Amino acid sequence: DADVTQTPRNRITKTGKRIMLECSQTKGHDRMYWYRQDPGLGLQLIYYSFDVKDINKGEISDGYSVSRQAQAKFSLSLESAIPNQTALYFCATSDHRDRGGETQYFGPGTRLLVL
Amino acid sequence: SQKIEQNSEALNIQEGKTATLTCNYTNYSPAYLQWYRQDPGRGPVFLLLIRENEKEKRKERLKVTFDTTLKQSLFHITASQPADSATYLCALISGTYKYIFGTGTRLKVLA
Repeated sequence: DADVTQTPRNRITKTGKRIMLECSQTKGHDRMYWYRQDPGLGLQLIYYSFDVKDINKGEISDGYSVSRQAQAKFSLSLESAIPNQTALYFCATSDHRDRGGETQYFGPGTRLLVL
Repeated sequence: SQKIEQNSEALNIQEGKTATLTCNYTNYSPAYLQWYRQDPGRGPVFLLLIRENEKEKRKERLKVTFDTTLKQSLFHITASQPADSATYLCALISGTYKYIFGTGTRLKVLA
């Protein structure tokens, strides 16, 4: 969905490097999420943010940190990348006012390879 | 422990037939259940939502059922087409934020 963009789309890095994945949205949503997807494991929640001042850990936050720079921007950092962080990373947004049940809107994903 | 299960094996069906995908869950009391479509290398896209007090929801060729007694949702695509080939994810929404996604079932519609 072009309303949710992620940069970079692909990244190769080495063990121990710090990297940042960025997410921007033009949907005007207040809630943003970071997930990782591994084959056979489905989507796992890393961090979520309900507004700029509210950041919460998800199921698998160890080794990751986030920053909500503005309502439209939510970045994910790997402080010291390790090979088992190789995965497909997705950013998603939702609107708490969505009476349809808070549909999540996903970005196109960032494919990360840690060597 | 809380768990969502979708058939991890790929489902192959002939064009024109009805595809039925299953989502089973344990130890949840979800307020909503959603179905998403995911194409290779792309983010999931929302298809349908069904609430706990609804038995069935339809949208064009798609139908979702939700049985809270059986703890199961069925997702049907009628008159399937090759363009329907994708991975389909179910997601439970339990509580304020808690989206729990299944691992997805890959559907292939054969021409």
